[in-house]
Order: sequence, then structure tokens, then C-alpha cells
Amino acid sequence: DVVMTQSPLSLPVTLGQPASISCRSSQSLVYSDGNTYLNWFQQRPGQSPRRLIYKVSNRDSGVPDRFSGSGSGTDFTLKISRVEAEDVGVYYCMQGTHWPPRFTFGPGTKVDIK
Amino acid sequence: EVQLVESGGGLVQPGRSLRLSCAASGFTFDDYAMHWVRQAPGKGLEWVSGISWNSGSIGYADSVKGRFTISRDNAKNSLYLQMNSLRAEDTALYYCAKDDTWGQGTLVTVSS
Repeated sequence: DVVMTQSPLSLPVTLGQPASISCRSSQSLVYSDGNTYLNWFQQRPGQSPRRLIYKVSNRDSGVPDRFSGSGSGTDFTLKISRVEAEDVGVYYCMQGTHWPPRFTFGPGTKVDIK
Repeated sequence: EVQLVESGGGLVQPGRSLRLSCAASGFTFDDYAMHWVRQAPGKGLEWVSGISWNSGSIGYADSVKGRFTISRDNAKNSLYLQMNSLRAEDTALYYCAKDDTWGQGTLVTVSS
């Protein structure tokens, strides 16, 4: 089974400063069609998760351009160029390459303001 | 508007069963794979089960395999999760999810 890890698990940030979250998978996430199905989700306090990034680097509609995703193979990164107060929450990476049989989420990274 | 609305949660005793439903609207339901994801109180997200558009591919997390059954009815734009032999550790908010859309969740509490 694919195991997803994230670091750090807690990330205190200063408003206006950049933030970066790392996600690693135990197996390559490159699918046979050439795509890499690595997504990033944001969960604000008390809300349902929201997808921010799909297939490594594609922003979903309505997602501010201060969010960006990068990486390949087994190593991926979510970056926030300038953190705003509304970015507080937990960020999860998730692989969909190895479905079926299953998707896998990372443990989550909690972002809060210093 | 794309919408997913879960229902069927509640308080249930260990060993009993519960069936969750998810009503989809605002998109062509049978174009998409659908998933159930859960979140135990204060914990992270756990993928539970997924089903392809035509039910041809189905998967389960090891933690629920053999106890939970996912299904869908494309004519009714609905997704289901039959949960049997429930355990205390199944207590969680259960979300219905399409790739870019999540419902608000339905709470399942397993307790005597």
C-alpha cells in the first residue's frame, strides 16, 4: 500500500510570509497514462475539505494564485507565496494514482498564524 | 450548483448496521467516480471507499474491508455506504466526495 507522509505536521507562519509543505509517497505516483494524481486539499476550521490543487500543479477554480503545487515522482510541495489569515487550517496531500484499489491521504499539516 | 448531501448518520450500538446515502445534484453523476471519506473527531481525513462511474471498480480501506459496502444508483443520482458490524473506531463524520466537491458530512457515532 502507498503511504503518504507530510512535513512539517505543524506550521506557524507570519502573515505575509511564504509557507511550504512537503508531501512524500512511498511509491511513484506516475500513472500509466503519464499523469500524476497528487492532489492538495485545504480544510478550514469547522468546514468540509476543499480541493486546491489537482495533478500536482493545477489550481482549482477560485483558488488564489498565491497557492502553487510542484513536484514529481514521490516528492511534492505545496507553497503559499504570502500567507493570509484565511489560509489557517489543515492541508492534506492525497494520491489517486493507485486507485483502484485505494486513495490515500497524508496525515495533514496544520497551518496557523504566529 | 454542484451539491452533495449526505444523510443516514446517527447513534448506533457496536455490532449494528447503518446505511449512509449521498444525494448528488448539479452535475452528470454517472460521469464520475465517487468516494466516501471519514474524519474521526479531532483527527485527519481517512479515505473509506470509492466506486467508479459504472460500479466496475470498487475499493475499500483495509479498516472497513469486509464490513462496509459501497454502491451507487445512477438513475437516482445517489451514492450509498452500507456499514455492518460497526465498531467504536468507526465513529466519525462521513463525507461523500467527487474529485473537486465534498458534502457537509453526516455524523456516525458508535457507542453503547
